[in-house]
Amino acid sequence: AQKVTQAQTEISVVEKEDVTLDCVYETRDTTYYLFWYKQPPSGELVFLIRRNSFDEQNEISGRYSWNFQKSTSSFNFTITASQVVDSAVYFCALSEASRDEKLTFGTGTRLTIIP
Amino acid sequence: DTGVSQNPRHKITKRGQNVTFRCDPISEHNRLYWYRQTLGQGPEFLTYFQNEAQLEKSRLLSDRFSAERPKGSFSTLEIQRTEQGDSAMYLCASSLYQGRPQHFGDGTRLSIL
Repeated sequence: AQKVTQAQTEISVVEKEDVTLDCVYETRDTTYYLFWYKQPPSGELVFLIRRNSFDEQNEISGRYSWNFQKSTSSFNFTITASQVVDSAVYFCALSEASRDEKLTFGTGTRLTIIP
Repeated sequence: DTGVSQNPRHKITKRGQNVTFRCDPISEHNRLYWYRQTLGQGPEFLTYFQNEAQLEKSRLLSDRFSAERPKGSFSTLEIQRTEQGDSAMYLCASSLYQGRPQHFGDGTRLSIL
């Protein structure tokens, strides 16, 4: 069965610090996709990134970077030089190609950036 | 690209009443998903449509819940005889095809009095 674990329930950092959000996943499929979504206080889920299981290249987008390691089944998310607008709940999610790609979400990490 | 639209944004109803939510996906997206999110949790999958066909339903979707997607366009989710435990945010998402990300609407927050 597919499962996503986000062990960090809440993290608080001072503005401009770097912060890493951890995500560990479980799946038996060889073809799967990993996602990060941001849920700000307003409530909508905002798509951030999608990686497929065959692409382990790390990715950087501005202040955001993602580290995908199949050997440890992890897909961690780092925010560099954090800003107050980064405050939100962040969800890691997994979908399996064999299961119509319904998303299985972790329980989320609430990130608070202190000005 | 107008995004996924959900109506209403909020619904307050008395226990035992029926409620219906609507989701309008992004126009060219043929895959549509319903999720439910309770406080402090991640969204949980409820059901999935490819065009007008409902292809999968979660065990969370009791017989009081029904979803439709006539003509493969908008979708409705109906809850009959609502219970306190149905209070949650109901989220709709759509995607273009396999492997593409799901884009979410703003959700419908249901409160049962």
